[in-house]
Amino acid sequence: AQSVTQLGSHVSVSEGALVLLRCNYSSSVPPYLFWYVQYPNQGLQLLLKYTSAATLVKGINGFEAEFKKSETSFHLTKPSAHMSDAAEYFCAVRFSGTASKLTFGTGTRLQVTL
Amino acid sequence: EAGVAQSPRYKIIEKRQSVAFWCNPISGHATLYWYQQILGQGPKLLIQFQNNGVVDDSQLPKDRFSAERLKGVDSTLKIQPAKLEDSAVYLCASSFGGRSNEQFFGPGTRLTVL
Repeated sequence: AQSVTQLGSHVSVSEGALVLLRCNYSSSVPPYLFWYVQYPNQGLQLLLKYTSAATLVKGINGFEAEFKKSETSFHLTKPSAHMSDAAEYFCAVRFSGTASKLTFGTGTRLQVTL
Repeated sequence: EAGVAQSPRYKIIEKRQSVAFWCNPISGHATLYWYQQILGQGPKLLIQFQNNGVVDDSQLPKDRFSAERLKGVDSTLKIQPAKLEDSAVYLCASSFGGRSNEQFFGPGTRLTVL
């Protein structure tokens, strides 16, 4: 079955530290992959997307993600965390043959401490 | 450019009552989505419209949920009668189309069923 898994429902990092949020998918055909961020009481905002072009994708706010087909992963990273990065992050996948439907992971809440 | 608009932002009702949510997508976006986001989970697609036709409503509880998109623009999602487990944030999103299918999300309506 096609699925999306985000490891770690909560991640805490110090300000200035590396941010690593994990996302794995299960599919025999490489899908389109997205990362969204959700701030409290707001809708989702697209951070970045992979659509079968470059495997290293750069997004907004200094975030980037690397698509690794062999590992079926699309982990989100940021070299140096900022307090304003505290939010909920969702990995989403558009599997092949599902039109434009997005399947979301369960989310990872990022906490940034001083 | 105006974003996706939703109203109301918050709604509290008693179980067995009915409720309706409204969404106005970004101008020119043919595809409209309604998602249900239960606390601690990722958004789940309820229904997808392409213009005023339904593309996917496989996860819509049709015994109590209904949605329409008259004239291919605004959309209304209704719940009748509501159950306690319907407490969630209801997100509306829209997209122009194309291969990457970036979806733009509204701020959501937070429904509490007592």
